[in-house]
Amino acid sequence: QKEVEQNSGPLSVPEGAIASLNCTYSDRVSQSFFWYRQYSGKSPELIMSIYSNGDKEDGRFTAQLNKASQYVSLLIRDSQPSDSATYLCAVYTGGFKTIFGAGTRLFVKA
Amino acid sequence: DAGVIQSPRHEVTEMGQEVTLRCKPISGHDYLFWYRQTMMRGLELLIYFNNNVPIDDSGMPEDRFSAKMPNASFSTLKIQPSEPRDSAVYFCASSLELRLADYNEQFFGPGTRLTVL
Repeated sequence: QKEVEQNSGPLSVPEGAIASLNCTYSDRVSQSFFWYRQYSGKSPELIMSIYSNGDKEDGRFTAQLNKASQYVSLLIRDSQPSDSATYLCAVYTGGFKTIFGAGTRLFVKA
Repeated sequence: DAGVIQSPRHEVTEMGQEVTLRCKPISGHDYLFWYRQTMMRGLELLIYFNNNVPIDDSGMPEDRFSAKMPNASFSTLKIQPSEPRDSAVYFCASSLELRLADYNEQFFGPGTRLTVL
């Protein structure tokens, strides 16, 4: 079982809709959780971090964490074509090691 | 700030040749990471350094891979001899010292796309 699992997609949503990206992780001692966005041919960039159970909102992005279920998600409201990218879920388990999921490709149709 | 700098951006080489990838982290960052990204395996951590010292190299796939950080502003990842299965995008990232209850955001360089024929 992979340590961080994501659906590879592609996830296709119409412009203006809510995109929901999901991630599960296997290590119960995981401390911190992150979403990175990676445009095609570019490097990953951090867009959201979450440390506690519940929701965290930043603009159109909402991260949700449920440690009991070992589940973290990212919601993108009012999706725009510019949101089309691969979204990497990342989990920090300590020792300065961050484990990345394989990513979910999101396509927002104009 | 110039961000993390990597060179070359693209490298095409033949099987058996030595390949050296270079990275300049963001000035003042204490940690440097080397990652490899492929479609099949995603983004994998190869090795990371703290204050120029290798801390964890458990992700280095084989003895053909080696990494050095001779000073705070320069690191290399070397593959010798290279094989076609080493073809991937190699990213270097850097971050500041971790503070209690904080996350050391990793800033990624543009990557080096390596193709081994």
